[in-house]
Amino acid sequence: GIQVEQSPPDLILQEGANSTLRCNFSDSVNNLQWFHQNPWGQLINLFYIPSGTKQNGRLSATTVATERYSLLYISSSQTTDSGVYFCAVGTSGSRLTFGEGTQLTVNP
Amino acid sequence: EPEVTQTPSHQVTQMGQEVILRCVPISNHLYFYWYRQILGQKVEFLVSFYNNEISEKSEIFDDQFSVERPDGSNFTLKIRSTKLEDSAMYFCASKTSNYGYTFGSGTRLTVV
Repeated sequence: GIQVEQSPPDLILQEGANSTLRCNFSDSVNNLQWFHQNPWGQLINLFYIPSGTKQNGRLSATTVATERYSLLYISSSQTTDSGVYFCAVGTSGSRLTFGEGTQLTVNP
Repeated sequence: EPEVTQTPSHQVTQMGQEVILRCVPISNHLYFYWYRQILGQKVEFLVSFYNNEISEKSEIFDDQFSVERPDGSNFTLKIRSTKLEDSAMYFCASKTSNYGYTFGSGTRLTVV
């Protein structure tokens, strides 16, 4: 099956700092999503981004499908950005395979 | 924005008991899924359901598990005889054919 690697596994930032999270995957995909898992365990969909670049406020994401990686950028981080960020990939109609996640802690 | 609704949000059950986790997918979605996440681990696929039948299942989804779409709106996951290792967060998800998944808020199952 598809392998998904996320880096770094843990990240600690001061409020206001910027960060880049990376997701590498082992095979061609046509579905890639970034999720934020909040402290209550909910999976919040951030981006559906099988290719290209998208922005939503302080967050943006870029997927280079031909090179099998995706990046999630968080600018001017806030304490509410803390949690686990998951990358998940899949092919048409099939299961999503999740990475191990990046645990982000933003300190005031 | 349309949501996937899961009930209950928390459930505690005795080992060996049957549990049914309920989900209401987004109304125009055709593909339905269950995933689970054991505490501190990554999210794992359990089963996908399309056109009133299972389309794919993982090795985790053994004979103790079953899924059903009893009417036009609900999608359920049944665990026949719960074990301690079934304790996890269970997520329901749905999607259309050409967009990403929408996940519900999860049901936290604790088996004691």
